[in-house]
Amino acid sequence: DTEVTQTPKHLVMGMTNKKSLKCEQHMGHRAMYWYKQKAKKPPELMFVYSYEKLSINESVPSRFSPECPNSSLLNLHLHALQPEDSALYLCASSHGRVADTQYFGPGTRLTVL
Amino acid sequence: QKEVEQDPGPLSVPEGAIVSLNCTYSNSAFQYFMWYRQYSRKGPELLMYTYSSGNKEDGRFTAQVDKSSKYISLFIRDSQPSDSATYLCAMSAGQGAQKLVFGQGTRLTINP
Repeated sequence: DTEVTQTPKHLVMGMTNKKSLKCEQHMGHRAMYWYKQKAKKPPELMFVYSYEKLSINESVPSRFSPECPNSSLLNLHLHALQPEDSALYLCASSHGRVADTQYFGPGTRLTVL
Repeated sequence: QKEVEQDPGPLSVPEGAIVSLNCTYSNSAFQYFMWYRQYSRKGPELLMYTYSSGNKEDGRFTAQVDKSSKYISLFIRDSQPSDSATYLCAMSAGQGAQKLVFGQGTRLTINP
């Protein structure tokens, strides 16, 4: 089973709202990732967690706040977003050690009004 | 110059044709090479994974890596309309939790 699940599928929020995106995997992977993808562009890495510790932060604005409560779950907390933050947010996971292919979830399509 | 270059297309071919998709890269540290397929409004799906140089075949798909030329390819034989998607090459330098560097993606349409 190579499934990564993400909820919600779609999210519409105002610029003053606080919301969270959730990601879950049960493959025993120890690395989890958040990516942002705009239309007709490749995914852009935002954050990497390795063994539940934040290992890469690609200079993402503080209005995005990641959290890794355990090895199977990854959250992305959103606050005071801008309309330009509207995008497809993708979660991925990988083994975390050898042969590190990343498996992506279906994404959450976020619209900021 | 981007680290990974991929022709964005669009590429349109008739059903049954052989499709060749390519990426070039500049970072000689890259060792792990992947091809993802992404349907519209969906997440990328891992198609092929290759370590270092060589060929790998899986059904109608063949991935080739030529590290000496810094060039990777994906061939699709007997292409089907269901193969219509965006194909992304991706690569990384090491093991463990790594940043993937993606190409721009090639939009492919297979016409019945």
